[in-house]
Amino acid sequence: DVKVTQSSRYLVKRTGEKVFLECVQDMDHENMFWYRQDPGLGLRLIYFSYDVKMKEKGDIPEGYSVSREKKERFSLILESASTNQTSMYLCASSLLVRDEQYFGPGTRLTVT
Amino acid sequence: AQKVTQAQTEISVVEKEDVTLDCVYETRDTTYYLFWYKQPPSGELVFLIRRNSFDEQNEISGRYSWNFQKSTSSFNFTITASQVVDSAVYFCALSATDTGRRALTFGSGTRLQVQP
Repeated sequence: DVKVTQSSRYLVKRTGEKVFLECVQDMDHENMFWYRQDPGLGLRLIYFSYDVKMKEKGDIPEGYSVSREKKERFSLILESASTNQTSMYLCASSLLVRDEQYFGPGTRLTVT
Repeated sequence: AQKVTQAQTEISVVEKEDVTLDCVYETRDTTYYLFWYKQPPSGELVFLIRRNSFDEQNEISGRYSWNFQKSTSSFNFTITASQVVDSAVYFCALSATDTGRRALTFGSGTRLQVQP
């Protein structure tokens, strides 16, 4: 079974802090994704990576950056957290871009 | 442009009722893929089905069935004899490349509540 793990289920950070969210997949998938989920808005793509060190902006990249130094790990970075980044963050991976994506359990981030 | 519309924000049914979740999509691609995901209260999205644009056959898996109609750009999901365990948020998603986008476009989701 594909397993996607995220470093934390719940996280509380203060405004201005630098925040790292980590995601690891164990299926040698080429593609990894970061989404944020807010009520009524569905899932919005922040960034995705199609290979090590390769990334592409999604729909809402502002205020975020990403890092993929190893194939299995994809990190989302909030350089200076703000209250409007309070949200559920979901990581996913897929073998090919058109394949089904496998999701991690999510990290619920609260910025106070 | 790519777009997925799930017009039903929330549906409430009583156990054993049948329920259909609607999904309407937009894309200029001729080759595309459609997906349904389930997000139970635990939060983790679970893949249910993928359908490519050349396969319009309806699919049935147990109590779940999917109706893909290219003529109306719809990919609806029906749960027969609903159960409390079906309570979740269901997302429809589209994978197409007409805009150069290489990731899924999700609808806003439909919350299904099945009452005992």
